[in-house]
Formats: sequence, structure tokens, C-alpha cells
Amino acid sequence: AQTVTQSQPEMSVQEAETVTLSCTYDTSESNYYLFWYKQPPSRQMILVIRQEAYKQQNATENRFSVNFQKAAKSFSLKISDSQLGDTAMYFCAFMGSGNTGKLIFGQGTTLQVKP
Amino acid sequence: KAGVTQTPRYLIKTRGQQVTLSCSPISGHRSVSWYQQTPGQGLQFLFEYFSETQRNKGNFPGRFSGRQFSNSRSEMNVSTLELGDSALYLCASSRKTSGRARETQYFGPGTRLLVL
Repeated sequence: AQTVTQSQPEMSVQEAETVTLSCTYDTSESNYYLFWYKQPPSRQMILVIRQEAYKQQNATENRFSVNFQKAAKSFSLKISDSQLGDTAMYFCAFMGSGNTGKLIFGQGTTLQVKP
Repeated sequence: KAGVTQTPRYLIKTRGQQVTLSCSPISGHRSVSWYQQTPGQGLQFLFEYFSETQRNKGNFPGRFSGRQFSNSRSEMNVSTLELGDSALYLCASSRKTSGRARETQYFGPGTRLLVL
């Protein structure tokens, strides 16, 4: 069974600094998708970034980038120039080829951006 | 384009009752997935509907069921509610074009269910 692990329950960062959230996963598949979602206090789940496993290039979306290490099954999220609005819970999620429509989520990391 | 909408946003029920939650996907999206979010268990997949057919199901008892209509709107039903069913129920839609396609899911604001 696929699993997703986020080992950092809580993190904090000063405004304008950079922070990296960790995620590891376990799968025997070679073709899959990985995602980072953000859930602010409003509880609305918002897509941050997506990575296809067959792509070697790390995905980037403005201040958000990932470090995808397929062999190590690691998928970390880097947030540059942190802003107060980045305060939220961040979830790493996996979607395999055999379970379409199903995201497997990690436990989440609560990120606090301090002024 | 309007996002995923869920109704109602908040619901209070008592044990033994049943409840129906509704999800309207983004226009053009044909797949709807449902998730349960609790502090203890985190986010867990309930089921996915595509083209009015349940394509995938999570590890939940038969009290949890769902359906999808021809306009892609989906409902989920929980019968004989238990205290442990108190949770945030999230639905997500994607524009997948075939049953096996994998597309990014976009989430609605959720329905908060409290069972007393």
C-alpha cells in the first residue's frame, strides 16, 4: 500500500525568509503524481504545486518549488520569500496509476509565518 | 469559472439520523472524489465518481454511499450516523476524460458535519 509521510508536524519561519517542508512516500509504481496542497484556517484546500514522476525537472510555481528525488522517494516543498498569507497547513499527496481519483495524503505540516 | 461548491456548509445531526451532502464540480469536470477529514485520522478517501459510476472506493463502511448525476453533480449519503462521523467532508473535481486518467483535483470549501 502506498503511504505518505510528513515528519514535521509544525514549523515556523520569519516573513521574507525561506522554508522547506519535507515529504517522503512509499510506492512500487514508477508512474505517479505528487502534489502539495495548502489548507489555511478557512479549511479551503488549495493546490500549490504538482509534479509528474516521469518528469525529471522539478516543478516551480512562483515562490513555490519542489525538490523531487525519485530514487529516494522524497518530495520537499520550498517556499521562498515567505508571506503572512502562507500561514496554513500543508499537505503532501500521492496519486498512483492503479487508484485513479484517489489522493493519499500525509498527516500535514502546520506552517506559521511570523512578522 | 466558478469553483467547486458544496452544500450545506454546516450541519448538525443526532446519532442514528441520516444526512445527504451535495457537491457541484467545476464546469466541464466529470470526476468527483469525496474525502473525510478528522483530527485523528487526517484526510481519507471515501469514493470517486466518473460518468455516473463509482470508479473507486475507500475503506469505509456501507453506511457511506454516493451517487453522481448526468450533470456531474454528486451527492454522498451517510446513514445511521455515529458520533465518529463528525468531520469535515471535502469533495474535489477533476476534468479527467477517461476512467483511468489522472488529473489534478480541485477542492470545494467542505461541509462540516457535527453528530451529537
